[in-house]
Amino acid sequence: DQQVKQNSPSLSVQEGRISILNCDYTNSMFDYFLWYKKYPAEGPTFLISISSIKDKNEDGRFTVFLNKSAKHLSLHIVPSQPGDSAVYFCAATTDKLIFGTGTRLQVFP
Amino acid sequence: DTAVSQTPKYLVTQMGNDKSIKCEQNLGHDTMYWYKQDSKKFLKIMFSYNNKELIINETVPNRFSPKSPDKAHLNLHINSLELGDSAVYFCASSQERRTGWTGELFFGEGSRLTVL
Repeated sequence: DQQVKQNSPSLSVQEGRISILNCDYTNSMFDYFLWYKKYPAEGPTFLISISSIKDKNEDGRFTVFLNKSAKHLSLHIVPSQPGDSAVYFCAATTDKLIFGTGTRLQVFP
Repeated sequence: DTAVSQTPKYLVTQMGNDKSIKCEQNLGHDTMYWYKQDSKKFLKIMFSYNNKELIINETVPNRFSPKSPDKAHLNLHINSLELGDSAVYFCASSQERRTGWTGELFFGEGSRLTVL
């Protein structure tokens, strides 16, 4: 049973535009939600997080939105840059960190 | 200076063999993990140790045995390797998971295991 789902395996965005990555979850007991970024042949690296008691967290070009009633979160990247091309994993915590299956973002010039 | 390092990075072996993957972290963290990324790219937790004590043990075959000689090291030993064990194995570490833990993990680069 997959508690964290990313239904879009890939996304392609032009440089300078907004990238929106989506994530759905089923467990209402999650207390933190996170986004990780992964380049090929590297481990995932932490990008941004949000507490379950908040609905928005912003860090530079990255903003995460949480909609608890819909059990949905999203990551907005504005403006998108070619260096943002990577796989993005949504994750959530209870006593352990549970990952989604990832969305491959490609930012083209 | 690598924060979480795993060796080897690549491992190709025959079915039935026994192999180990080593992990070391120099971040001073108390908690270490092993995650498996399978062919579907799903990252799933296998084990977690806190100060050398096992705290998470997901439904993993007994052929997988983690060992933590000290809080900076968490090794993974796999007996009687099977084709389905082929995956990328990631080691990670974090601060102790007290109340208020935000879920930030620091990952190694991964060890790609191929079983022939």
